[in-house]
Amino acid sequence: DIQMTQSPSAMSASVGDRVTITCRASQGISNYLAWFQQKPGKVPKRLIYAASSLQSGVPSRFSGSGSGTEFTLTISSLQPEDFATYYCLQHNSYPLTFGPGTKVDIK
Amino acid sequence: EVQLVQSGAEVKKPGESLRISCKGSGYSFTSYWISWVRQMPGKGLEWMGRIDPSDSYTNYSPSFQGHVTISADKSISTAYLQWSSLKASDTAMYYCARHTAADDITDFDYWGQGTLVTVSS
Repeated sequence: DIQMTQSPSAMSASVGDRVTITCRASQGISNYLAWFQQKPGKVPKRLIYAASSLQSGVPSRFSGSGSGTEFTLTISSLQPEDFATYYCLQHNSYPLTFGPGTKVDIK
Repeated sequence: EVQLVQSGAEVKKPGESLRISCKGSGYSFTSYWISWVRQMPGKGLEWMGRIDPSDSYTNYSPSFQGHVTISADKSISTAYLQWSSLKASDTAMYYCARHTAADDITDFDYWGQGTLVTVSS
């Protein structure tokens, strides 16, 4: 199985901050990676697919990059509605695996 | 509008059986795989398995293989997740999610609203 790790596991940030979350795969997954945002009590929402493609309707302050084993999700200027938990997902091979999540909360 | 509507919350006792459902609408149900994702209380997302509704072919995570069964009835555009003997550790929120295609391992673009399953004696 491909193991996914995320760093940091949690972070405190202020509105307007630039936030970067890293996701690493235990083996190469090309660009078969997506990022999801989940707010408490809500359904996960797709932000980024194919490592760097922005889902329609998602604000352009979100961006993704990377290929192979290391990926990043960047929020260029954190907004109040961005406080949430973020998960990466690899879909290169079965079983699909999510990262453990990164919780972004208010400093 | 694409929608995945899941069945309602369930409260069951250990050892009981259960089947929850996920009904797709607004798209061709057989053209997109459906996966099930577990989220235990306060924990992260875990992929359980997927089904191709066109032929009911399934893949399971080794962590869930043998513990659950994923099925689909394409005539009513509905996917199912079932247990034959629930355990307290099955207490979780379960989401169905639509893959973005049906011919490759893709990620998910639409999610159901979730079904909370509580197993308690």
